Amino acid sequence: KAGVTQTPRYLIKTRGQQVTLSCSPISGHRSVSWYQQTPGQGLQFLFEYFSETQRNKGNFPGRFSGRQFSNSRSEMNVSTLELGDSALYLCASSQLGTANTGELFFGEGSRLTVL
Amino acid sequence: DAKTTQPNSMESNEEEPVHLPCNHSTISGTDYIHWYRQLPSQGPEYVIHGLTSNVNNRMASLAIAEDRKSSTLILHRATLRDAAVYYCILRDSNTGNQFYFGTGTSLTVIP
Repeated sequence: KAGVTQTPRYLIKTRGQQVTLSCSPISGHRSVSWYQQTPGQGLQFLFEYFSETQRNKGNFPGRFSGRQFSNSRSEMNVSTLELGDSALYLCASSQLGTANTGELFFGEGSRLTVL
Repeated sequence: DAKTTQPNSMESNEEEPVHLPCNHSTISGTDYIHWYRQLPSQGPEYVIHGLTSNVNNRMASLAIAEDRKSSTLILHRATLRDAAVYYCILRDSNTGNQFYFGTGTSLTVIP
């Protein structure tokens, strides 16, 4: 069974640009959540999608957005990039729609560097 | 947001048991206790989770205090491959997959 796939793995952008990251969940998983990981802030929740609907959103500015497609694949977009957006962006998928017991499966992440 | 407190780092000798503590004094009745670990250059991976009772799986054991204000992840025999950052997380059953990761405990395994 293929794991969670994130693309691209590495990318470099300049301030002011925008970026789109992609996440393909494990087959059959309907929930996709996104996290930002930085040395200073650790792992922070961005948002979660389930059946194409955003269910939860973390405390990030509106420049961070996402969507989920009917095949459960998800994308996140960051507009007007800032230096502080440099981070590892992790995607996780889960089989269950409810929160109680579903295990999260993480991808290896997309490492974004903003110059 | 329910928060957890973990030591920044711990060391263990190879093949010895490791007890990783976690304090979560503000835990609510609907919070599940989850543990994930992150190996270098990888995304986090699930280790174990529980609500009230102690739990065992092939990777580890989770001991939960009676008042649920603390828990301990137990690795029965540490191996070099267990060197990772271990995160203790409270997952509210009412808020979906909105995990609140702390800074975790960096475990060093000494050969």
